[in-house]
Amino acid sequence: QKEVEQNSGPLSVPEGAIASLNCTYSDRVSQSFFWYRQYSGKSPELIMSIYSNGDKEDGRFTAQLNKASQYVSLLIRDSQPSDSATYLCAVKAFKGSGNTGKLIFGQGTTLQVKP
Amino acid sequence: DTAVSQTPKYLVTQMGNDKSIKCEQNLGHDTMYWYKQDSKKFLKIMFSYNNKELIINETVPNRFSPKSPDKAHLNLHINSLELGDSAVYFCASSLGAQGYGANYGYTFGSGTRLTVV
Repeated sequence: QKEVEQNSGPLSVPEGAIASLNCTYSDRVSQSFFWYRQYSGKSPELIMSIYSNGDKEDGRFTAQLNKASQYVSLLIRDSQPSDSATYLCAVKAFKGSGNTGKLIFGQGTTLQVKP
Repeated sequence: DTAVSQTPKYLVTQMGNDKSIKCEQNLGHDTMYWYKQDSKKFLKIMFSYNNKELIINETVPNRFSPKSPDKAHLNLHINSLELGDSAVYFCASSLGAQGYGANYGYTFGSGTRLTVV
């Protein structure tokens, strides 16, 4: 089982629709969760972070976290063609005392927003 | 501009050569990382340094050797390059490796596309 799993897609939505991106993780000690956006040929760019169960909203983006289900999602409202990119889910876990956490990425979901 | 900068952006070299990639950040972060992104876009951590100390060393061939002269710089040297080393290598930085740094994401550099022929 992969530590962080995402559906690779592509996920295709029409312009103006809500895009829903999902991610599951295997390690229950995971503490912090991040969504990155990566345009083709570019570096990953942090767009959302979430640490507590529930929803966190930032503009058109909403991150949702359910630690009991080990599930984190990203909703993009009013999707625009410029949102077309690969979205990477990342999880940070700290194991044991004194250990250093590291950011573990899923394989990414490709989103296509069609005009 | 505040950023994580990597050089070179592109690197084409022959099998068996030795090459280096340099990374510098001016964000005031104390932790730096090397990630490898393969052709399927999967990002995998290779190394991490916190205040010049190696703290993460994943299962990477020992042909790869990172060096951090100070907390703002992290270099990656690769000996005896192989075809399978072709990938995009990203440098990243963050504030704090643990504790108060738990909730910080990483800032990535623009990447170095390494092609071994």
